[in-house]
Amino acid sequence: QKEVEQDPGPLSVPEGAIVSLNCTYSNSAFQYFMWYRQYSRKGPELLMYTYSSGNKEDGRFTAQVDKSSKYISLFIRDSQPSDSATYLCAMSASLGGTSYGKLTFGQGTILTVHP
Amino acid sequence: DGGITQSPKYLFRKEGQNVTLSCEQNLNHDAMYWYRQDPGQGLRLIYYSQIVNDFQKGDIAEGYSVSREKKESFPLTVTSAQKNPTAFYLCASSLTPGRSSGNTIYFGEGSWLTVV
Repeated sequence: QKEVEQDPGPLSVPEGAIVSLNCTYSNSAFQYFMWYRQYSRKGPELLMYTYSSGNKEDGRFTAQVDKSSKYISLFIRDSQPSDSATYLCAMSASLGGTSYGKLTFGQGTILTVHP
Repeated sequence: DGGITQSPKYLFRKEGQNVTLSCEQNLNHDAMYWYRQDPGQGLRLIYYSQIVNDFQKGDIAEGYSVSREKKESFPLTVTSAQKNPTAFYLCASSLTPGRSSGNTIYFGEGSWLTVV
């Protein structure tokens, strides 16, 4: 079983829809959670960072972390064709020691928003 | 502009050859990383370096080598010992981790390596 599971999709939605992207994980030590967006043939760019449980909102994007369920989500409101990309969740257990820099990534979900 | 520059963007390698991928950053980040991305497998860590002249193996270091002689530079060599090198390679860097940023990392644009 992988430490982080992410539905690869593909996910296709009409413009204006609310999109929900999700990851589950098995390592209860994870406490730093990130979402990256990756356009085709480009490097991933950081969208959201969340520490521990709770919600965080940034414009049309909302990140949720439920540590009790080992489940994180990214919601995109009023989705646009420019949101079409692969979305990667990533997480880590600690900031230092042997875990330094060791983000564990999900497989990525391919999202297409059509006009 | 500040950022992470990877070169070349596309590279073709003949079997048995070593190739080196360049990564330079001007963000004044202490830590640098190399990831490999294959379809359907997410990103896997090859090597990382927290400070100059020091680096650590990641999850899939076999067949790869790195050096960190300067803070700004972290080149990756794909050796002939790497049996399946065709992939998208991503260099990344990060600030010293702290609660405000966790250990969020920032990526370059990537290099495509194809074995011919």
